[in-house]
Amino acid sequence: DVKVTQSSRYLVKRTGEKVFLECVQDMDHENMFWYRQDPGLGLRLIYFSYDVKMKEKGDIPEGYSVSREKKERFSLILESASTNQTSMYLCASSLGRGIYNEQFFGPGTRLTVL
Amino acid sequence: GQSLEQPSEVTAVEGAIVQINCTYQTSGFYGLSWYQQHDGGAPTFLSYNALDGLEETGRFSSFLSRSDSYGYLLLQELQMKDSASYFCAESHSGYALNFGKGTSLLVTP
Repeated sequence: DVKVTQSSRYLVKRTGEKVFLECVQDMDHENMFWYRQDPGLGLRLIYFSYDVKMKEKGDIPEGYSVSREKKERFSLILESASTNQTSMYLCASSLGRGIYNEQFFGPGTRLTVL
Repeated sequence: GQSLEQPSEVTAVEGAIVQINCTYQTSGFYGLSWYQQHDGGAPTFLSYNALDGLEETGRFSSFLSRSDSYGYLLLQELQMKDSASYFCAESHSGYALNFGKGTSLLVTP
């Protein structure tokens, strides 16, 4: 079974803090993704990575950065957290590029920025 | 961005059949996926259509019409546990998915 784990289920931070969200997958997947999910807006892609040290911006990258130093780990960084970044953050991974690109999701991190 | 259209809410009775429609943009389209998400849970993959036609997996089926830029998810013999949000997602690059805003399905007794 593919397993995607995220470092925290719940996180509370203060405005201006630097925040790290960690994601690890154990199935040697090439691709990893970070989404945020807000009520009524569905899942919106922040960044994704198709290889170690490679990253691509998604639809809403502003205020975020990412790091992928190892294949199994993909980190999302909020350089200076703001209240509008309060959200559910979901990490996902998929095997590789192709027509069949099922994504496997982690349990999510609910981040509150005060 | 989010260019897929799907209904925000659907209600159906246990044992019935429900269809959730999804329209998408055509530029660079690879295929259409469907994901299920229960409250508090992670999205899980249900199906993928790259070609026109119907794909059946147990009680769930998914349909795609490329000429109409349209697809749907069909849920048969509805059960209470099918109450969840359902997302269609289009693939353009072969890597990333662009998700719709989701349809909240409520199954009533």
